[in-house]
Amino acid sequence: SYELTQPPSVSVSPGQTARITCSGDALPKQYAYWYQQKPGQAPVLVIYKDSERPSGIPERFSGSSSGTTVTLTISGVQAEDEADYYCQSADSSGTSVVFGGGTKLTVL
Amino acid sequence: EVQLVQSGAEVKKPGESLKISCKGSGYSFTSYWIGWVRQMPGKGLEWMGIIYPGDSDTRYSPSFQGQVTISADKSISTAYLQWSSLKASDTAMYYCARHVDSNYCDYWGQGTLVTVSS
Repeated sequence: SYELTQPPSVSVSPGQTARITCSGDALPKQYAYWYQQKPGQAPVLVIYKDSERPSGIPERFSGSSSGTTVTLTISGVQAEDEADYYCQSADSSGTSVVFGGGTKLTVL
Repeated sequence: EVQLVQSGAEVKKPGESLKISCKGSGYSFTSYWIGWVRQMPGKGLEWMGIIYPGDSDTRYSPSFQGQVTISADKSISTAYLQWSSLKASDTAMYYCARHVDSNYCDYWGQGTLVTVSS
């Protein structure tokens, strides 16, 4: 079955830039999406279609794509950004949705 | 305002059946796919499957095909996730989520905690 691979954890200091990667063979053909999940809460969409930002999401969140890897970038990280982040995409046929394993962002 | 309101927490025994619900409001329920995502304790998100209430077209993740049933009643704007025989390994938080173009989730329910224990 199709898999998306994320690093288990990323740590940054406040004000620095955090980059979270997600790799998958079908990513050149399928859009990627990113979700933020804080403890005890439902996930929230922060990036859609590789790099689009939903209304209400701060401009410090951005997304990019290059080949089989997509990246979520958080510029000027704030303490409130500490959360788990999940990438999501579809397999090459587009019929099955898959989540990455998740990355825990720690703000030092 | 789009809202997805899920049914309350459940405690069940192994072998019992269960049906949890997700009621949508604030949008055309029959015009968007709606699906379910599992999160086991301390673990990541797992996509289970989706249904298009307009015509009941349903798609399952290979990992969940045959293990659960997803359905919807468009007359009351409600989607369901059903088990015929629960296992302890079904213990998890289950989220419903509205899907855009069957691809991504733009609105989520609050989650339903299912605990299966003898």
